[in-house]
Amino acid sequence: AQSVTQLDSHVSVSEGTPVLLRCNYSSSYSPSLFWYVQHPNKGLQLLLKYTSAATLVKGINGFEAEFKKSETSFHLTKPSAHMSDAAEYFCVVSDRNQGGKLIFGQGTELSVKP
Amino acid sequence: NAGVMQNPRHLVRRRGQEARLRCSPMKGHSHVYWYRQLPEEGLKFMVYLQKENIIDESGMPKERFSAEFPKEGPSILRIQQVVRGDSAAYFCASRGLAGVYGNNSPLHFGNGTRLTVT
Repeated sequence: AQSVTQLDSHVSVSEGTPVLLRCNYSSSYSPSLFWYVQHPNKGLQLLLKYTSAATLVKGINGFEAEFKKSETSFHLTKPSAHMSDAAEYFCVVSDRNQGGKLIFGQGTELSVKP
Repeated sequence: NAGVMQNPRHLVRRRGQEARLRCSPMKGHSHVYWYRQLPEEGLKFMVYLQKENIIDESGMPKERFSAEFPKEGPSILRIQQVVRGDSAAYFCASRGLAGVYGNNSPLHFGNGTRLTVT
């Protein structure tokens, strides 16, 4: 069975400093991985996706993630945090054997201090 | 090109009433997924439907919950005899036929329906 684990339930950074949101996955084959962002009282927005092409994936709003098979990780990074980045972030794996059903991590809440 | 539309945005029901949540997928999308987000938790898969078919309902509670995606009209998630524990945000997502990324093309999410049971 596929699963994802987000290692931090809450991350706090200062504006202008780097962001690192950690995600490890478990999969018996090469997975498809996604990061979604959810702003308060809003729906989910796709940040980026990995589907066995380049291991370094660039997304929207300056975010990127690197797929590391040896570490079974797909951490999300951004060089410089902005106040508008404060939101909940979900690491997600897609189960190809079940019609592309998405399996979500528990989420990481990112706070950005001025 | 409208995205996934869910209505109502907020729904308040008293215990024992019925809740009906609607989802209109993106134009051209024939796959619909429903997810539930309980407070302080991530999203949990409920059901996956294609037009007129339930493909995977492994995440649906066995009682009181049902879903449909008719040939015409929106997908409906129906909760009968609601209880306080049903209070949550319910998200619908849609996907088209296999595209560039095959079955792993990303889902497009609606803004959710926030159900409150009093």
